[in-house]
Amino acid sequence: ELKVEQNPLFLSMQEGKNYTIYCNYSTTSDRLYWYRQDPGKSLESLFVLLSNGAVKQEGRLMASLDTKARLSTLHITAAVHDLSATYFCAAVVVLNTGNQFYFGTGTSLTVIP
Amino acid sequence: SQTIHQWPATLVQPVGSPLSLECTVEGTSNPNLYWYRQAAGRGLQLLFYSVGIGQISSEVPQNLSASRPQDRQFILSSKKLLLSDSGFYLCAWSVFRGRGSNQPQHFGDGTRLSIL
Repeated sequence: ELKVEQNPLFLSMQEGKNYTIYCNYSTTSDRLYWYRQDPGKSLESLFVLLSNGAVKQEGRLMASLDTKARLSTLHITAAVHDLSATYFCAAVVVLNTGNQFYFGTGTSLTVIP
Repeated sequence: SQTIHQWPATLVQPVGSPLSLECTVEGTSNPNLYWYRQAAGRGLQLLFYSVGIGQISSEVPQNLSASRPQDRQFILSSKKLLLSDSGFYLCAWSVFRGRGSNQPQHFGDGTRLSIL
């Protein structure tokens, strides 16, 4: 079974600082997703990374994928309070009939003004 | 456009009582459907997924069950709830268009279940 680990689990940082969240997965995955969850809310899709070397950017968030290292990163640039949320990565195995999603443990980010 | 409805939003039930959570998807056909549980401050645990009517795969053995009586309806049930069943339950769907599909999962608003 594919296992997905994220680190750190909890992250507190000041506004304006940069940081990277790491997502490791144990076996070959067909693609990698990043999601955001606000407290008490559902999950919102941020990025999908399809191939080795893929990089996606949206505002202050940039995600990348290294399939050889089985590693994805979510880089936060000049953090702002609005980015406070829990971030999940999910590795996907595509079966003949459907997609099997394996989620990481999540990284709870708090940006301090 | 596609939408997912999950209800109820909040539920408080005594230990030993039955459970039924419902999830429906609109605007798509033959979706893959999923039930997850999220304990407080924890990650997502996949409970069940379904690729078609009557087809249910269980990921974690427990006192919960799932059914898919219609193409876009997914139900999570229990005959007798345990204290450990408390958590945030999320229903999700994704479109499967073959091995090249890159569609993400789309999540419902969740049901917060508290067992007393």
